[in-house]
Amino acid sequence: DAKTTQPNSMESNEEEPVHLPCNHSTISGTDYIHWYRQLPSQGPEYVIHGLTSNVNNRMASLAIAEDRKSSTLILHRATLRDAAVYYCILGTNFGNEKLTFGTGTRLTIIP
Amino acid sequence: GAVVSQHPSWVICKSGTSVKIECRSLDFQATTMFWYRQFPKQSLMLMATSNEGSKATYEQGVEKDKFLINHASLTLSTLTVTSAHPEDSSFYICSAQGHSYNEQFFGPGTRLTVL
Repeated sequence: DAKTTQPNSMESNEEEPVHLPCNHSTISGTDYIHWYRQLPSQGPEYVIHGLTSNVNNRMASLAIAEDRKSSTLILHRATLRDAAVYYCILGTNFGNEKLTFGTGTRLTIIP
Repeated sequence: GAVVSQHPSWVICKSGTSVKIECRSLDFQATTMFWYRQFPKQSLMLMATSNEGSKATYEQGVEKDKFLINHASLTLSTLTVTSAHPEDSSFYICSAQGHSYNEQFFGPGTRLTVL
């Protein structure tokens, strides 16, 4: 399985943008890039996913490098509620496949 | 988005007893449900995949006779930890996927403590 590499932790100030990087140099042509996040003591929640083009939704934006070997999750204006572990996961466009969670990036928001 | 619930949210039991955890999709039909386990300070590890009406597929290293999974309907899957021991203490999380969605929806988790 293609793997992803993320920094273990990051800090950001409240109300500032946050850029969370993910490297996936062995990504295949059919792999989608999924982002989930897990708030403390909760189950993960879906954030965003994409294939080649940049994607935007109400939670975040996903910027995908042209060679698809890396991507960046962008939180435009971080709040304290965004403090979580963010997971970058490769998979298909179908939700019925098993997800392989790496260690993720623990994001701390500084008030 | 779709909602997945788990019951109970936490449970404490004695060593040797069995514990059942329920996972329900509240507003959609879940064709596939997944069960994960998460130890403190670690990531989620997939235990098994279950499809409604068929036997669960277990990941390597997960004992199917110890972790019984039943997916009897499109809205309910259960995980039974049989003869629980302290090393089974963990955070158990389910997720569900339905036809209309591309992502998985996760339950809030069940914290199991075995004394």
